[in-house]
Formats: sequence, structure tokens, C-alpha cells
Amino acid sequence: NAGVTQTPKFQVLKTGQSMTLQCAQDMNHEYMSWYRQDPGMGLRLIHYSVGAGITDQGEVPNGYNVSRSTTEDFPLRLLSAAPSQTSVYFCASSYRGTGVSDGYTFGSGTRLTVV
Amino acid sequence: TQLLEQSPQFLSIQEGENLTVYCNSSSVFSSLQWYRQEPGEGPVLLVTVVTGGEVKKLKRLTFQFGDARKDSSLHITAAQTGDTGLYLCAGNTGNQFYFGTGTSLTVIP
Repeated sequence: NAGVTQTPKFQVLKTGQSMTLQCAQDMNHEYMSWYRQDPGMGLRLIHYSVGAGITDQGEVPNGYNVSRSTTEDFPLRLLSAAPSQTSVYFCASSYRGTGVSDGYTFGSGTRLTVV
Repeated sequence: TQLLEQSPQFLSIQEGENLTVYCNSSSVFSSLQWYRQEPGEGPVLLVTVVTGGEVKKLKRLTFQFGDARKDSSLHITAAQTGDTGLYLCAGNTGNQFYFGTGTSLTVIP
């Protein structure tokens, strides 16, 4: 049972480079989201999706793009990496995101360093 | 601005002691979850509470949702070293989940 799979686990980027963080889930969850976790800041929502073809911005969307072409996949794209984007990124999915929720299943995270 | 405030931020206790962690907000949530996160891993869901005043027990862990659905508490009885970790609360409103900053618990043998 794979759950939520994130790749890569570690990444170092130079300022200005772009990259895509991959996220896939095999639980047929409609709701998927991306968070970043920084010391003292907790988990902050970047983007989320309530189903294939539908995405919306969270609390800290600037510098990131997402797309949701299938139920299973929800990649996060960094357009032009900046040192402020150094963080641990988590993808999460949920069976129901609106109203009463079942809660998230999280991936194991991607640790990104921008130099 | 943090929508959910957790206290205490850090907690270090001896094995066998009891503890309570608090999660407070001025906002009303349709549901609230508690997660535990270990170093290098993603958070793992412990419980979801939905109804105001609801109490759920998970072995030595007791979770309570406030009557007004704005706050919650997590009580651990007779803490064990395996309880060590970062405890996060998260409130669900509409399509978004808001996380607290977490309580880092260390249980000393």
C-alpha cells in the first residue's frame, strides 16, 4: 500500500533554476494539497485541488504553480527558485476536503535547499 | 498570523508523567485533526473530531473538541518514550486545512 509518494526526497537547486516536485497517490482521493514546513512557522498551504482539473491557491502560493490532470498526480512546480523557498515540502491527500474531512495522508516530504 | 495556536511549544517530561497539549483559535472549524510527526517523516493522522464537546480516546491519548468548535486538547496519560514527537493540530474550514505550529514532546526514560 503506497499511499502518497513524493519524489525526490532531497534536492539542491541554484537560485533561478526551475524544478517540479512530484506527488502521486493511489487511494483515489479527490482532495490533494501541497504544504511547506519551516521552523517556527508550522505547515503552510501552498496550493490545493478538490479534483482533477481544479486547483486553487492557499496561504503562500507565490513562486509556485500546480496542475491536476489526473486524480492520482499533483505536481508542484517552482518557477524560478529563490533561497526563501528552502524548506521541506509535503504533499497530502484526503478522501473529502470540504465540510467534514477524514484528515490527511501525507507523503514523506521533499527537503529542498536553494543556494 | 497563525490561525491555530498551540501550547506549549516545547515539552520535556519523564516517562510515566501525564501531559496536556492545547490548540486554540478564534475561528470555528467543521472538524479538527491531531497528527504526530517524527523527524524526517510526514505527519501521521491520530484522530479527527467533528462535534462540539466530542471526546475521543486512542489508548493512552484523549482528545477533546471544544463546545464551540474553536479549540481542542490532547491529553496523554503515563507518557512513554514512544510518544516523543511533534504534535500538530489542524482545523478544517471550507476547502482548507490550517495547521498549528506544533508542540515538540520529548519523553525522557
